[in-house]
Amino acid sequence: GAVVSQHPSRVICKSGTSVKIECRSLDFQATTMFWYRQFPKQSLMLMATSNEGSKATYEQGVEKDKFLINHASLTLSTLTVTSAHPEDSSFYICSARGLASYNEQFFGPGTRLTVL
Amino acid sequence: TQLLEQSPQFLSIQEGENLTVYCNSSSVFSSLQWYRQEPGEGPVLLVTVVTGGEVKKLKRLTFQFGDARKDSSLHITAAQPGDTGLYLCAGPGGSGGSNYKLTFGKGTLLTVNP
Repeated sequence: GAVVSQHPSRVICKSGTSVKIECRSLDFQATTMFWYRQFPKQSLMLMATSNEGSKATYEQGVEKDKFLINHASLTLSTLTVTSAHPEDSSFYICSARGLASYNEQFFGPGTRLTVL
Repeated sequence: TQLLEQSPQFLSIQEGENLTVYCNSSSVFSSLQWYRQEPGEGPVLLVTVVTGGEVKKLKRLTFQFGDARKDSSLHITAAQPGDTGLYLCAGPGGSGGSNYKLTFGKGTLLTVNP
């Protein structure tokens, strides 16, 4: 149980284009999902909290107009990187909050974004 | 803001050795979680510790939650190359926003050499 998938696993795009990443909870409903960014050999950096049916909450310093988050259903959240630039290249990971009361999160396998 | 400090940051050992990774805070946490992340993958939840003084075992991994619930440790016995990865501790809470956020430590990058 508690499986989270991400698609695509890898994407290469040209500078200036937009890229959409999907995050799905496969066997449970997730009212809250999270989007993280991770640089090599570093810990996770929370970008935003995605709540089903409402606007996402962004962390300080994260541009909400650049990283668009939509959580339209209880099993799907999407992150769209708009007008991507090389500095947006990174490993993006989503997670879904579990059903237990300890705020456990179940993570997707991540998406490697490379912007040329 | 609650902070979690992990040590060591990097650890490279030979197969068969034992090791301990620490996760410390000045704040009390209602629970702490340990995750392992392999290169190019998302983190995988290993364990959640809830009660002060609690000890949990997962095969060769032993997790302990401090009596005051401010710290935790992960001990690996007879490490194997398959244990290689980034070990992250995390606890509920974070600056502002959702009550469901996790605070993550900076991680311990473990390399077990054959």
